[in-house]
Amino acid sequence: TQLLEQSPQFLSIQEGENLTVYCNSSSVFSSLQWYRQEPGEGPVLLVTVVTGGEVKKLKRLTFQFGDARKDSSLHITAAQPGDTGLYLCAGAPGSNYKLTFGKGTLLTVNP
Amino acid sequence: KAGVTQTPRYLIKTRGQQVTLSCSPISGHRSVSWYQQTPGQGLQFLFEYFSETQRNKGNFPGRFSGRQFSNSRSEMNVSTLELGDSALYLCASSSAPGGQETQYFGPGTRLLVL
Repeated sequence: TQLLEQSPQFLSIQEGENLTVYCNSSSVFSSLQWYRQEPGEGPVLLVTVVTGGEVKKLKRLTFQFGDARKDSSLHITAAQPGDTGLYLCAGAPGSNYKLTFGKGTLLTVNP
Repeated sequence: KAGVTQTPRYLIKTRGQQVTLSCSPISGHRSVSWYQQTPGQGLQFLFEYFSETQRNKGNFPGRFSGRQFSNSRSEMNVSTLELGDSALYLCASSSAPGGQETQYFGPGTRLLVL
């Protein structure tokens, strides 16, 4: 059983469209992290959300942590081809626990 | 600051062989974690080392092992390779153990087992 479920698994959109990807779990996390991974590279951290209900913005990307700290979403406004990549969420139940990753959402933004 | 480096970047082996992968963390980082990434299973945790001690281990068979040296560099070894071991192996370093601190990933070693 995957601890963190990401949806959708694949997403192909046109440049300029908006999109939202989701990361859900039945477990509570002390924090959730979002990463983007480009082909041939390792994942790069985008943001860490810590507080239930927290919203963080990174240019055109908006990250939200659910009130119950069991889920998170990533919204991209006016997507660009440079946003193409694999978006991964990851979390740990506590500081002494290993980081667990979702399987990711593979986003393709077509020009 | 130099990032996490992994060597080699690409490797082709045959079934039954063994392989050793190397990871050099960011300077000053003492925690190194290893992950296996495959299209079907995604990123799966292998093990974490901090100050030369294994702190956490994932659900992988004993053929997968690792170690960390006093300079924080880490190696992982896979013995008796199987076709299913073909994957991207990623290492990540952080300043503290566990899942709370930011992990910085290397580019990975892509292993193909024939």
